Amino acid sequence: DGGITQSPKYLFRKEGQNVTLSCEQNLNHDAMYWYRQDPGQGLRLIYYSQIVNDFQKGDIAEGYSVSREKKESFPLTVTSAQKNPTAFYLCASRGDSYEQYFGPGTRLTVT
Amino acid sequence: AQRVTQPEKLLSVFKGAPVELKCNYSYSGSPELFWYVQYSRQRLQLLLRHISRESIKGFTADLNKGETSFHLKKPFAQEEDSAMYYCALGGTSYGKLTFGQGTILTVHP
Repeated sequence: DGGITQSPKYLFRKEGQNVTLSCEQNLNHDAMYWYRQDPGQGLRLIYYSQIVNDFQKGDIAEGYSVSREKKESFPLTVTSAQKNPTAFYLCASRGDSYEQYFGPGTRLTVT
Repeated sequence: AQRVTQPEKLLSVFKGAPVELKCNYSYSGSPELFWYVQYSRQRLQLLLRHISRESIKGFTADLNKGETSFHLKKPFAQEEDSAMYYCALGGTSYGKLTFGQGTILTVHP
């Protein structure tokens, strides 16, 4: 099951630590996205990237950072500045159409 | 600003009954609407899009620009339809999607 992968599936961190979530795709898609999924709030866009070496803030970028050094990879760092980091994080990529292809997600728990 | 509203967080029906998941949107431009579905332990995936006007797994959705709605319908629900459903709005630059809050559909036997 290739396409778009995220690792790890579960991640536990202590408060105050930065943590990086991995997202890789082999679909040759230019655009990639990071969402946060919380119960009752749907998916909220954190960051997105249209092309290598370029990315923009989404609706809830505070406390997060990203990089896009390679077309295949779009890692997300959850910093200690993020006040409520415990959530389910979804990565997606998009080709020429509006359809976004999603990864399996990473569940981050910060205690 | 664009917004998607799914008024029902939870929806329960019995097998064989009709089901309608509501979606309303606000957007000043020409919208592209989608329904995404997330089955238990599976990744989020596209169910259907308004532009293709197709029926997937017995589901249909019609874009009503006058009512700014894109409700998802199925005449006879099946237990395997139980899932989380998200309505999503595109049409902006950069291919961004705005998602609704999601509706959990449960189909009882």
